[in-house]
Formats: sequence, C-alpha cells, structure tokens
Amino acid sequence: EPEVTQTPSHQVTQMGQEVILRCVPISNHLYFYWYRQILGQKVEFLVSFYNNEISEKSEIFDDQFSVERPDGSNFTLKIRSTKLEDSAMYFCASTTSETQYFGPGTRLLVL
Amino acid sequence: SQQGEEDPQALSIQEGENATMNCSYKTSINNLQWYRQNSGRGLVHLILIRSNEREKHSGRLRVTLDTSKKSSSLLITASRAADTASYFCATRDTGGFKTIFGAGTRLFVKA
Repeated sequence: EPEVTQTPSHQVTQMGQEVILRCVPISNHLYFYWYRQILGQKVEFLVSFYNNEISEKSEIFDDQFSVERPDGSNFTLKIRSTKLEDSAMYFCASTTSETQYFGPGTRLLVL
Repeated sequence: SQQGEEDPQALSIQEGENATMNCSYKTSINNLQWYRQNSGRGLVHLILIRSNEREKHSGRLRVTLDTSKKSSSLLITASRAADTASYFCATRDTGGFKTIFGAGTRLFVKA
C-alpha cells in the first residue's frame, strides 16, 4: 500500500540554523500539508499546498517557514532560522480527496 | 476559532471492555475524522464521517456525529491491549483546507 515517507526521522540542530524537512507524498495525491506536534500537545496545522501554491496557512506559519515542491515527488518544509520553540514532531500529509494520509514524522530538536 | 476537543483526556479500561471517546467542535464542518497515534509515532487514519452522516462502522469502531450538538463519539468495542494509544478527532472547515485536531484521549487497555 502506498504511503507518505519523511526524511530525516530525527534532526538535531543549533538555534539559528536552517533546516529542511523532506516528504514524499503518495504519488497521485494533489493536496499536501505540514503539521507539527510539540511534545505532549495537540497536532497543529501549519500549511496546505495545492497546485504549486499555498492554499491556507496558520498563524504559526510565519516568515521563518516556507514550503516547496521542487520536483514531481518531494514536498519540503524549510525553517529559515530555527528557535528553541520549533522543537517538535513535524508531520507531512497528503490527500486526493478527504482522507489525509500522514507520514511517520520528523522529530526536530533545536538546541 | 474551530476546535476539536476530546473527552475524557485519559481512559483506562480492561481488555474486552468497550471504550467511548467524545469530541466537540465549534464551527460548520465538511467532515470529522478520527486518528490514532501510538506513542511518539505517526497518525493513522481510522474513520471519516461526513457532515450528512450520523453513524459509521468500521470493524470494531463505531463513530457517531451529531451536527446539531457539534459533537462526535468514537466507540471501540471489545478492546485489546494493542488498542492502547492516543485517539484524536480532527475537523475540516466547510470550504477550507485546514484540519483542526483536538487534544486527544489517551486510552490504556490493560491485559
């Protein structure tokens, strides 16, 4: 069964550094999402992406964040200058209709 | 703002018992979905119920939706130790892309 994959599974970075989280959505899906989950808290919507542009974003998704679909398969989330509070699990999801399929997540730790 | 909130926050039951989790939300929705998350892992989609549906079944899962009360329930029958996980409801706005997750119910099934 096709699934969403994410790399890396874990990333440790220094505050102020840039990180790029990568996702490979399911191949025939058209809508792509990023979510984050701070340890012990709820899953929070960051951004949705459709037809090569952002369709909706939350207040969390400020100028430090950007998304890109650089080719036909990858979907990336870039955090330009990481802060301590960016430490979280980041999930990518994709869908072709209503049900979103989630990747296993990238655990980001900012020191 | 729209919010899916579950109760109880935590639930501990014996194997074989039924587990019921409830979710409330605030605005008009297209659909409501339930997800499961094992500790530190990704989200697994369990079931989707559309706003024009009242009840849905999938295996040992039964979901109800009451749009007049803006609430949903997830019933897991004949629970197993392997059902131990956190369960989240998630709602999607009418006409929007954003999916809002609740804080989740942590279910612990004792063998």
